[in-house]
Amino acid sequence: NAGVTQTPKFRILKIGQSMTLQCTQDMNHNYMYWYRQDPGMGLKLIYYSVGAGITDKGEVPNGYNVSRSTTEDFPLRLELAAPSQTSVYFCASSSAGGPYEQYFGPGTRLTVT
Amino acid sequence: GEDVEQSLFLSVREGDSSVINCTYTDSSSTYLYWYKQEPGAGLQLLTYIFSNMDMKQDQRLTVLLNKKDKHLSLRIADTQTGDSAIYFCAESPDTGRRALTFGSGTRLQVQP
Repeated sequence: NAGVTQTPKFRILKIGQSMTLQCTQDMNHNYMYWYRQDPGMGLKLIYYSVGAGITDKGEVPNGYNVSRSTTEDFPLRLELAAPSQTSVYFCASSSAGGPYEQYFGPGTRLTVT
Repeated sequence: GEDVEQSLFLSVREGDSSVINCTYTDSSSTYLYWYKQEPGAGLQLLTYIFSNMDMKQDQRLTVLLNKKDKHLSLRIADTQTGDSAIYFCAESPDTGRRALTFGSGTRLQVQP
């Protein structure tokens, strides 16, 4: 049982490049989330999904896209990378029942230059 | 609106108790959480408290909830150097999407 896994761990992008951050969970959780964490700040919600085929925007969705074709996978796509997207990205999942605790992956550290 | 506030930094000596405080704004939150983040790692759930409880104890951790003042605290007894980390308070105000609203985190430094 690996929990939530994310790849890659680190990535440097040039402005305008694209990439996909991968996230997989093996706990059969319905809910999945993408957060970003800027230095010295808490986590901000980018997108979330309540089940396969269903996604919705969080607080800071601009510049990102997601898809959820399976219960296990929830990739995050950056189409035209900008320096403002330099951050640490965390994927999380939770089950449908309380206490709604979220399990986090180890994070992807992204730098856009 | 949703807002969770924490002090930025706390320094204690090994063996002392640590108390990390948090205030939140949404009285409809069903659960409140404490997460721990070690350097370069993801967030790890430490404990949570249901909104109809005042206190929860889990080994060295004690969570106190004052709903009237919307104040949450985490007490760590006999603090060890391994407890040095950033601690995040979080609330779950939206039962639809179940997303959490996090504070900015309190950096706990434990001095030997």
